[in-house]
Amino acid sequence: NAGVTQTPKFQVLKTGQSMTLQCAQDMNHEYMSWYRQDPGMGLRLIHYSVGAGITDQGEVPNGYNVSRSTTEDFPLRLLSAAPSQTSVYFCASGTQGIEAFFGQGTRLTVV
Amino acid sequence: GQSLEQPSEVTAVEGAIVQINCTYQTSGFYGLSWYQQHDGGAPTFLSYNGLDGLEETGRFSSFLSRSDSYGYLLLQELQMKDSASYFCAVRDRGRQAGTALIFGKGTTLSVSS
Repeated sequence: NAGVTQTPKFQVLKTGQSMTLQCAQDMNHEYMSWYRQDPGMGLRLIHYSVGAGITDQGEVPNGYNVSRSTTEDFPLRLLSAAPSQTSVYFCASGTQGIEAFFGQGTRLTVV
Repeated sequence: GQSLEQPSEVTAVEGAIVQINCTYQTSGFYGLSWYQQHDGGAPTFLSYNGLDGLEETGRFSSFLSRSDSYGYLLLQELQMKDSASYFCAVRDRGRQAGTALIFGKGTTLSVSS
C-alpha cells in the first residue's frame, strides 16, 4: 500500500499561474483534507471532504478550489497563484475517527 | 470559531520527562489528538483521547479533561530523536458537513545530551 501520495513534491509558479496539487490514497478512507503549513502558524485547514461529492471549507479556503469525484482522489486547485500562497501543502486522509495519515507534502513557491 | 493554545518551545535533556499542554475552544468536540513532525517531514499520529483520562503508548502518554478543555502530552525517558514539533489537534464540528481536524500552532521540543 502506498498510503497517501502527493504530487508534485516541489513546484515554482509565477504569480497568476494556475495549477493542481494531486492527492491520492489507497486506504478507502472517507475523509480527506488539505492543509498548508507556514512557519509559526502550524497546520491550517484549507478544505476537506467527508466522502465522494461532499466538500467543505476549512480555516483558510480563499484562493483554493477542491472537488471529490472519487474516494481515492482529492485534488487542490490554485486558480491564480499569489506570493501569499507560498507554503508547504499537506494532504491527509482518515476515517473521520482517530488518526489522520499525511502525504509527504508539496513545497510550493510563488514568485 | 476554534482556537488551540500550546507553548511554542520546550527544552529538556536526555532521560528527562516533558509535558506539553494544550487548551482548546471549539464549537463541537469529538476528541483530542497529538502529532509529531520532524524537520522536513510529514506529521505522524501519536495518540488520541476521546474521553477523559490518561492514554499510554510506550514512552508517550496523553491526558484529556473535557470539562477544563485541556489536555497534555507526556514524553518520558526523552531521547535525542524526540526533538521535533508536537501538535495538538481537535476534531470539531464542520461548517456544513462532518467534522474537521483543527491543529494548534505546535510546540518545538529540543532535547540535548
